[in-house]
Amino acid sequence: DADVTQTPRNRITKTGKRIMLECSQTKGHDRMYWYRQDPGLGLRLIYYSFDVKDINKGEISDGYSVSRQAQAKFSLSLESAIPNQTALYFCATSDPTRTAQETQYFGPGTRLLVL
Amino acid sequence: DAKTTQPPSMDCAEGRAANLPCNHSTISGNEYVYWYRQIHSQGPQYIIHGLKNNETNEMASLIITEDRKSSTLILPHATLRDTAVYYCIVRVEAGGSYIPTFGRGTSLIVHP
Repeated sequence: DADVTQTPRNRITKTGKRIMLECSQTKGHDRMYWYRQDPGLGLRLIYYSFDVKDINKGEISDGYSVSRQAQAKFSLSLESAIPNQTALYFCATSDPTRTAQETQYFGPGTRLLVL
Repeated sequence: DAKTTQPPSMDCAEGRAANLPCNHSTISGNEYVYWYRQIHSQGPQYIIHGLKNNETNEMASLIITEDRKSSTLILPHATLRDTAVYYCIVRVEAGGSYIPTFGRGTSLIVHP
């Protein structure tokens, strides 16, 4: 079984709809991240969470919100989807060490199309 | 505002070594350099990381310059399955915390 899972894997929605993307992990990591990837671009950070009570905005948080329901679960919501939020979304986890080593583990991605 | 600079694309013949460069001239003193790759549209996969010494594992080798301002990922015998986008990552300070920051990566094409 995969350590980091994302649901759904593919989603088509209409402008103005509220949708939620979910991420679950079995690695026992405290840190979780949501990234967005557009064609030809790298991954851009939307939100990140260092533990259940700590949530922080990334570089492109406008139009998104998150919920860290438990250590293992981190959900990304689009309150009112718009077409330019069409993208590939990745969740990642990590468990950094004191010596600044932080390997990230990524989910398989959710492909979102907003019509 | 990526903190790493990589060539957008490279190509390599199958069986030859692929050398992928990365510039990270603003890296903090105790921050590691990480490399990931993304095959097609799958989730990025960890390859290797290092601080100041050269590193090798079953996937690749990592050469870090003495001044730590640049590094090179080496795939010693590239195969067609190594065709992917390769990301060089450093953590960047933001609001008192260090956050892994991705650039656009290098698209490596391995040809027969």
